[in-house]
Amino acid sequence: GIQVEQSPPDLILQEGANSTLRCNFSDSVNNLQWFHQNPWGQLINLFYIPSGTKQNGRLSATTVATERYSLLYISSSQTTDSGVYFCAAKAAGNKLTFGGGTRVLVKP
Amino acid sequence: NAGVTQTPKFQVLKTGQSMTLQCAQDMNHEYMSWYRQDPGMGLRLIHYSVGAGITDQGEVPNGYNVSRSTTEDFPLRLLSAAPSQTSVYFCASSRERDGKNIQYFGAGTRLSVL
Repeated sequence: GIQVEQSPPDLILQEGANSTLRCNFSDSVNNLQWFHQNPWGQLINLFYIPSGTKQNGRLSATTVATERYSLLYISSSQTTDSGVYFCAAKAAGNKLTFGGGTRVLVKP
Repeated sequence: NAGVTQTPKFQVLKTGQSMTLQCAQDMNHEYMSWYRQDPGMGLRLIHYSVGAGITDQGEVPNGYNVSRSTTEDFPLRLLSAAPSQTSVYFCASSRERDGKNIQYFGAGTRLSVL
């Protein structure tokens, strides 16, 4: 099956800083999503982005499908951005595969 | 809409006990899935369903059963609980619409097996 790898595994930011999270995947995808898991464990969908670029407030994401990677940008980070960010990708079939996540801590 | 509802939120079992984790969605989604999340790790797929009456195995299906008798409900059964099944379990649902298939998650069930 498809392999999904995220980097870095951990990220510590000062409030106001910008950062980039990376997701590499091993196969052509027809579905790629970014999720945020808050400190209480709730998983929220951030982006559905199998290709192209999208922006939502201070967050944006870019997927370069031909090179098999996706990037999540956090600008002007806030303490509420803390948590774990997961990338999930699906190739053929119906199984969405998650990466190991990037744990983000934003310090005030 | 309540979205995806999981019950219970917390559960403690003894080794060998059986139980059912409930999952219900009110969004008329055809796809439903169960994942487990172990500490410091990503989510691993246990079982999934593409519609009522249709289920299939995911990455880690052993020790779990599912059924999908209705579109709304997708219960996960632990047949004989083992300490290795201590984890947080998430149910998710989605549907194909306008070329997109976005997953929505429940709040999770934290299970401890002693």
